[in-house]
Amino acid sequence: DQQVKQNSPSLSVQEGRISILNCDYTNSMFDYFLWYKKYPAEGPTFLISISSIKDKNEDGRFTVFLNKSAKHLSLHIVPSQPGDSAVYFCAATTDSNYQLIWGAGTKLIIKP
Amino acid sequence: DAMVIQNPRYQVTQFGKPVTLSCSQTLNHNVMYWYQQKSSQAPKLLFHYYDKDFNNEADTPDNFQSRRPNTSFCFLDIRSPGLGDAAMYLCATSRKGPAPQHFGDGTRLSIL
Repeated sequence: DQQVKQNSPSLSVQEGRISILNCDYTNSMFDYFLWYKKYPAEGPTFLISISSIKDKNEDGRFTVFLNKSAKHLSLHIVPSQPGDSAVYFCAATTDSNYQLIWGAGTKLIIKP
Repeated sequence: DAMVIQNPRYQVTQFGKPVTLSCSQTLNHNVMYWYQQKSSQAPKLLFHYYDKDFNNEADTPDNFQSRRPNTSFCFLDIRSPGLGDAAMYLCATSRKGPAPQHFGDGTRLSIL
């Protein structure tokens, strides 16, 4: 049973436009959510996180939105740059658990 | 720069020949993790250490063991590697509580 779902295996966006990556979860006990970026042959790089007590967190070009009632979060990248082309993973956990539950990832392609 | 370092980046071993992968961190984090990642799938948690307390995931094969001699170092031992163990092995660290996990660049393990 997938508790964290990224339903889009890939997404193609024009350079300079907004990239929106989506993630849905089923476990209402999750209270901390993270986004990671991964290039080939490298480990995942932490991008941004959000606690369930917030509905938005912003860091430079990256903004994460959390809709608890819909059990949905999204990552917005504005403006999109060629270096943003990578696989993006959404992950979730609970306060008392160290295990991250990962989505399957979305491959983002930024077109010049 | 504080970081998570994995050695070697690439490891080739023979079927059934024991192999050890190493990880060191300068972040002084309490928690260290070992993950297995195959192709573009999400990382799969093998085990983690909370300080010296070892936590094994239920579905981690007995073939995989780990040692954490001190805060900075952690080792993954694969006693008798099979062809199915060929993968990227990722080490990560985090502070206590809900916090981002910071990953090394991984060790790509190949089995001949």
